[in-house]
Amino acid sequence: ETGVTQTPRHLVMGMTNKKSLKCEQHLGHNAMYWYKQSAKKPLELMFVYNFKEQTENNSVPSRFSPECPNSSHLFLHLHTLQPEDSALYLCASSQVPGQGPLGTNTEAFFGQGTRLTVV
Amino acid sequence: SQQGEEDPQALSIQEGENATMNCSYKTSINNLQWYRQNSGRGLVHLILIRSNEREKHSGRLRVTLDTSKKSSSLLITASRAADTASYFCATAAGSYGGSQGNLIFGKGTKLSVKP
Repeated sequence: ETGVTQTPRHLVMGMTNKKSLKCEQHLGHNAMYWYKQSAKKPLELMFVYNFKEQTENNSVPSRFSPECPNSSHLFLHLHTLQPEDSALYLCASSQVPGQGPLGTNTEAFFGQGTRLTVV
Repeated sequence: SQQGEEDPQALSIQEGENATMNCSYKTSINNLQWYRQNSGRGLVHLILIRSNEREKHSGRLRVTLDTSKKSSSLLITASRAADTASYFCATAAGSYGGSQGNLIFGKGTKLSVKP
C-alpha cells in the first residue's frame, strides 16, 4: 500500500463509452500525475497537477480530460477512445518544493494502476 | 520526451548472482531515481541519488552516478527470485517555476532471477 489508490483496477470500454478513472492520495502531497504505460514503450507522462493547477499537458489527445478538484483527488475522464489507448494508466503523487528554480525532486508514489482495454 | 535509457533491456541471472543495470540520460538533473515494477502493477521507489552524490547504498542496492557521463548504474547484490521485476531510472524534467517534480522514465530493464 503506497498511499495512492486508483479505481477501478480494470476497465473494459467501448469506443463510444464515457468513463472516468479515479486517483486518491492520502500522503498530503501537492503534485499529482497521470502516466500511460503501453507495451514495449516508456512510461509516458500525460498530465501534471502542481498545487491543483495543471502545469503540463504533453500533447495528449482531447479524448483524455483530467480533473483535479483538490490536492488529494485526480480524475481522468475518457470519451470516444481508440483501441490504441488500451494501456495501464498510472497515477502518482509527490511533494514538490515551492515555486522557483528546479529544486530537489522527491520520490513519486504510484497507485496500482488501471488496466484499460478499449474494444 | 524520453530522458532515461536503461541498458540492458532484459537480464536473466541465477539466484545469488549480482545484477547490474545502467541508465543514461541527456540533460542536467537534480537527482536520479530508480524504481521497480512488478508485472502489471504500480512502480515502487527504490533509491534516489542527488547530482552531488557519486554513490549510494540501500540494503542490497548500490547506485552510482556519473554526471560527467550522464549515466547511472543500479547494482543488486546476491539476487533473489523475488527481485524479478522491471527496473526503471527516472530523472526530473521541466522548466523554471512550473514543472518541478515531473519524472521522465526510460523503457526499463526486465530482470529475471531464476531460483
